[in-house]
Amino acid sequence: GIQVEQSPPDLILQEGANSTLRCNFSDSVNNLQWFHQNPWGQLINLFYIPSGTKQNGRLSATTVATERYSLLYISSSQTTDSGVYFCAGGLVGTYKYIFGTGTRLKVLA
Amino acid sequence: DAGVIQSPRHEVTEMGQEVTLRCKPISGHDYLFWYRQTMMRGLELLIYFNNNVPIDDSGMPEDRFSAKMPNASFSTLKIQPSEPRDSAVYFCASSLWGGELFFGSGTQLSVL
Repeated sequence: GIQVEQSPPDLILQEGANSTLRCNFSDSVNNLQWFHQNPWGQLINLFYIPSGTKQNGRLSATTVATERYSLLYISSSQTTDSGVYFCAGGLVGTYKYIFGTGTRLKVLA
Repeated sequence: DAGVIQSPRHEVTEMGQEVTLRCKPISGHDYLFWYRQTMMRGLELLIYFNNNVPIDDSGMPEDRFSAKMPNASFSTLKIQPSEPRDSAVYFCASSLWGGELFFGSGTQLSVL
């Protein structure tokens, strides 16, 4: 089956630092999304980004569908950015969304 | 919109008991998904529905698990009988036309 690899698996940042999270797919996917799971377990939508680049405040994301990867940029990180970041993509021809294993981010004050 | 609503938020039960988890999708959404999250296996898709019809249940772990969607605004995931290894967080999500997923707050299930 399709493999979704996220890197790095763990990341510790000092508040104010920037970071880049990566998501690689072993095969083509549709409808790529990024989520933030906060410390209370809620899955928060960050970006719905099948292709191209989007920005929302301090966060931005880029998906290069032809090369089967997506990047999430976090600038000027804050302690509230802590949690786990997941990417997910839909298998082509279906609506089965497969999740990556996540990047666990901790931002220190 | 109220978002995807799941109940209960927490469920503690004893092995062998029946467990029913409930989900109300976002109004107007035509796809509904059930996921399970564990430390070992991450977020796994169990089953998804389109217009109340189950489309793919290949992720349902075994016959003890069943899911129904009797109408566009309600779905249940039932485990009977429950086992300790079923302990996990169960999420429901919905989407419009199979696009962007929106998740509920999840049900934390503990089977003792």
